[in-house]
Amino acid sequence: ETGVTQSPTHLIKTRGQQVTLRCSSQSGHNTVSWYQQALGQGPQFIFQYYREEENGRGNFPPRFSGLQFPNYSSELNVNALELDDSALYLCASSLVGQGVSGSPGYTFGSGTRLTVV
Amino acid sequence: AQSVTQPDIHITVSEGASLELRCNYSYGATPYLFWYVQSPGQGLQLLLKYFSGDTLVQGIKGFEAEFKRSQSSFNLRKPSVHWSDAAEYFCAVGALEGNEKLTFGTGTRLTIIP
Repeated sequence: ETGVTQSPTHLIKTRGQQVTLRCSSQSGHNTVSWYQQALGQGPQFIFQYYREEENGRGNFPPRFSGLQFPNYSSELNVNALELDDSALYLCASSLVGQGVSGSPGYTFGSGTRLTVV
Repeated sequence: AQSVTQPDIHITVSEGASLELRCNYSYGATPYLFWYVQSPGQGLQLLLKYFSGDTLVQGIKGFEAEFKRSQSSFNLRKPSVHWSDAAEYFCAVGALEGNEKLTFGTGTRLTIIP
C-alpha cells in the first residue's frame, strides 16, 4: 500500500502571496487532516476533510482553506501569506472515525516546508 | 480542551544508557495517548498508543510507555538507546469527538552521544 505523499517538499513564498500545498492520502483512507508545525513546536491541527467537506477546524484564520477531491486527495491553500506562516505543513490520512481509535490510525506524510520571506 | 506538556525540551544520553521522556496530559475523559517520533526533515512515525487495558504499552523499536492516571502521565522509556534513536519525540492526546484530532506537546529533542 502507498503512504501519504505531499508536494512540493519545499517552497519559498513572499509575504502577501498565496500558496497551495497538495496531499495524496494513503490508499483506502477517506479523511485528510492538515497540521502546521512551526520551528521548535509540536504540530497544530488546522482542519480535517471528509466527503469533500471540512470536518472540524483548529484555531486558524479563514485565509487557511482546503479542498478534498473525490479520490480523497487534498489541497491546503493559504492566502495573504504572513511571515509566521513559515512552518512544516503535515498531512495525515485515516479512515473516518479511526484516526484516533483505529489501528494504525493516522498515517503522516513527510511534510511541505514553507518559508515566507 | 485537551493539552499535552512535555517538560524536557532537550535530553542528551549516552549510547547504551536508559531513556525516559516525560509527558503529562489534560483531558476530560479517558484519553487516547500516543508517542510519535520525527527524524529531521521527516513526518511523524507512530511509536505506540494507549487507550485501555494494560497500562504498560509496548511499541516499535524497543520503546515502551506507562500510563499513570493518578499522575496524568504517559512517559516513554527505552532500556538501552542506540545512536539511531536521535530524533524529536512528540507525545499526543487524541479526541474521540468528531474529527478525532490529535493535540501534540512541544516535543523533546533527543541527542545521543557515543
